[in-house]
Amino acid sequence: DAGVIQSPRHEVTEMGQEVTLRCKPISGHDYLFWYRQTMMRGLELLIYFNNNVPIDDSGMPEDRFSAKMPNASFSTLKIQPSEPRDSAVYFCASSFDGVGFYNEQFFGPGTRLTVL
Amino acid sequence: RKEVEQDPGPFNVPEGATVAFNCTYSNSASQSFFWYRQDCRKEPKLLMSVYSSGNEDGRFTAQLNRASQYISLLIRDSKLSDSATYLCVVNIGGSQGNLIFGKGTKLSVKP
Repeated sequence: DAGVIQSPRHEVTEMGQEVTLRCKPISGHDYLFWYRQTMMRGLELLIYFNNNVPIDDSGMPEDRFSAKMPNASFSTLKIQPSEPRDSAVYFCASSFDGVGFYNEQFFGPGTRLTVL
Repeated sequence: RKEVEQDPGPFNVPEGATVAFNCTYSNSASQSFFWYRQDCRKEPKLLMSVYSSGNEDGRFTAQLNRASQYISLLIRDSKLSDSATYLCVVNIGGSQGNLIFGKGTKLSVKP
């Protein structure tokens, strides 16, 4: 099992540029999550999907951020235009829709974004 | 008040020591509880779920106190490989997506 796959692993860009992060969840998982992690704020949920449908995007910082999930095996998180304060590690995670609330989330290796 | 609070540490302990972490949560309607482990520059991984009756997995014991709204993790006979950041995680209910992560407690086990 390949696990959650994210690309790129590292991204360095200049302020104002568009950044696109990609994620392939584990096959068969119904939920996909995008998180951002910084030293100051810890791990924060940005948006999550259930069966490719966005359920809660209240964590998306502002209109510069957008996410899509065109099919069950692919999702993107786009930042346009990027700003230095967007520098963080962005994680994608997926989980299976089991019974109750004890379903494990499996995280990808993350994309380390630096905006200069 | 933050939703999930943890002592950031670091906890520096010698090999073989017993160490305990606590975590408090603010939402009394929270449904489920977890400890995740995150190694330096790696992704978080589930260490164990925390059930109302408490549960044990080898050297790790997790406890939940709903009345006081805190969760604990006990590590016995610490190993060098236990060095990591331990994240307290709470599902505040409603759906799977409502996971709130603490900022983590850093553990460093020394020889």
